[in-house]
Amino acid sequence: GDSVTQMEGPVTLSEEAFLTINCTYTATGYPSLFWYVQYPGEGLQLLLKATKADDKGSNKGFEATYRKETTSFHLEKGSVQVSDSAVYFCALSEASNDMRFGAGTRLTVKP
Amino acid sequence: DAEITQSPRHKITETGRQVTLACHQTWNHNNMFWYRQDLGHGLRLIHYSYGVQDTNKGEVSDGYSVSRSNTEDLPLTLESAASSQTSVYFCASSAMGRQPQHFGDGTRLSIL
Repeated sequence: GDSVTQMEGPVTLSEEAFLTINCTYTATGYPSLFWYVQYPGEGLQLLLKATKADDKGSNKGFEATYRKETTSFHLEKGSVQVSDSAVYFCALSEASNDMRFGAGTRLTVKP
Repeated sequence: DAEITQSPRHKITETGRQVTLACHQTWNHNNMFWYRQDLGHGLRLIHYSYGVQDTNKGEVSDGYSVSRSNTEDLPLTLESAASSQTSVYFCASSAMGRQPQHFGDGTRLSIL
């Protein structure tokens, strides 16, 4: 069945460092791919999405490119801020309506 | 703005009691989902619904039930609360497959 694997955390970076969180997926069809962010005490918020191969999703300085050849959707940001500290989830959804989530990666950014 | 609301935000109860968590969405979405989030387990799907009168079991459905009498609401009931059901519960909704899910802010449930 469909699944998502993302890099284990926690990840700790200094402010202004470059961020990469790896995400790979397994799917039978042509899924949409998503990154969600969860701040402490809150629900998951959609950060960005991509619906087909080679699409790039972007939001708030974060980017991820849908790579069908490597079945990947890695999250990147050029310069992280303390306010980016959160848990990040990679997810996929096919036409079957349900969504598969990765285990989540906790990011801590230190000043 | 459309939203998805969960209540209560926090609840403490005793083992053996019946507990119902509310979820209400104004997105007019057909699909609604209940997850639990525990350290070391990520998000796990409890139950889901693709429309009124439709309910389906997820991967951790034992001890939980849902009913869908209208588009807006999917209440989650713990029939006889157990300490193993202490968790943070999230409700979500989506329009259809391949579309993003929108999440509520969660209910933190403690069972003593």
